[in-house]
Amino acid sequence: NAGVTQTPKFRILKIGQSMTLQCTQDMNHNYMYWYRQDPGMGLKLIYYSVGAGITDKGEVPNGYNVSRSTTEDFPLRLELAAPSQTSVYFCASGYPGGNQPQHFGDGTRLSIL
Amino acid sequence: RKEVEQDPGPFNVPEGATVAFNCTYSNSASQSFFWYRQDCRKEPKLLMSVYSSGNEDGRFTAQLNRASQYISLLIRDSKLSDSATYLCVGKGGAGNKLTFGGGTRVLVKP
Repeated sequence: NAGVTQTPKFRILKIGQSMTLQCTQDMNHNYMYWYRQDPGMGLKLIYYSVGAGITDKGEVPNGYNVSRSTTEDFPLRLELAAPSQTSVYFCASGYPGGNQPQHFGDGTRLSIL
Repeated sequence: RKEVEQDPGPFNVPEGATVAFNCTYSNSASQSFFWYRQDCRKEPKLLMSVYSSGNEDGRFTAQLNRASQYISLLIRDSKLSDSATYLCVGKGGAGNKLTFGGGTRVLVKP
């Protein structure tokens, strides 16, 4: 009963490095989302996808890229890591219906030094 | 103005007491609302959906007032394990996006 799986759980990057945060879900959800949460703050939407091959920007997309080649996977790419991207990243998935909640992964804690 | 606003707290609650708090929303695109619970450094977990007619789930009661654009959560007979941050969330618009409030921190003490 995996649900939404994120890897890695922790990572430290140097400024300017790149990395991909992986997210996969086994619930056959069409909709997937990436959020970031800074300390003491709420979650902010980075990118979302309503189905394979379709992605769109959220509230804070700058510095990130995504792709959605399959229903299951929705990786988030940081091309040139900056200290402002130090945060906890959550991936989520869900059905589009109004009362359907989103299901979250455990999060990836990323520090840029 | 934030689309979903919450009192950050903390609400210090004696064990066994009742606590209630609200959030207000300004985004008319949000059609559905939820309360999520988040423990320190963990992922948000769905606590309950919120319906206009009001709904209960055990010790938790949620209410939505669309006219005044606020959502409430009431916790009865507070347990130590209820200590967490409670996130008020609206859902709607393109992509059925979730809009999160900043969270209300609740600390239940013996």
